Amino acid sequence: SQTIHQWPATLVQPVGSPLSLECTVEGTSNPNLYWYRQAAGRGLQLLFYSVGIGQISSEVPQNLSASRPQDRQFILSSKKLLLSDSGFYLCAWSPLRPVGPAFFGQGTRLTVV
Amino acid sequence: GQQLNQSPQSMFIQEGEDVSMNCTSSSIFNTWLWYKQDPGEGPVLLIALYKAGELTSNGRLTAQFGITRKDSFLNISASIPSDVGIYFCAGQLYNNNDMRFGAGTRLTVKP
Repeated sequence: SQTIHQWPATLVQPVGSPLSLECTVEGTSNPNLYWYRQAAGRGLQLLFYSVGIGQISSEVPQNLSASRPQDRQFILSSKKLLLSDSGFYLCAWSPLRPVGPAFFGQGTRLTVV
Repeated sequence: GQQLNQSPQSMFIQEGEDVSMNCTSSSIFNTWLWYKQDPGEGPVLLIALYKAGELTSNGRLTAQFGITRKDSFLNISASIPSDVGIYFCAGQLYNNNDMRFGAGTRLTVKP
């Protein structure tokens, strides 16, 4: 069966520090991969999605970036965090073929101080 | 991008009552999804709908894919305390990598 791992679960970082959140998927090949951000009490905002290694689409211009160095690995990064980057970050995967729903990781609670 | 309007924003109900929430869009989707999120966790898929008019049940949950392909609803029958959480609808386009979420419905169930 497929599983998705996301870490760390919680993170407190100072303003201006770098960020690296990692997500890996097991039990499937060629998945679509997604990064979402969720502000407190709000819906999910799509940040990035990837249909393959090295293929990244950005939905919202900001100081975050994403990379997919391997088929089942998706990384969210920032060179310098802002206070407004605080939130709940969720990684998700969905099957490429056939089309299917997305399945989410447990999330990372990021607090920028 | 496509916008999903999910309502109501929140619901406070008594245990045992039925619940209904819905999602509408100005765009046509090929798939409608319903998720539930518990505090501090990622959303969990409840029901996936793939055809216009489709009615699907998962235990006490029932969801329908609207005939116009621009809306969907979720019903929960005989609510229990563990139904508490935030319910999200999501619309997915044919190319699979464009999936939009509603703002969520926060459900509170009073015992």
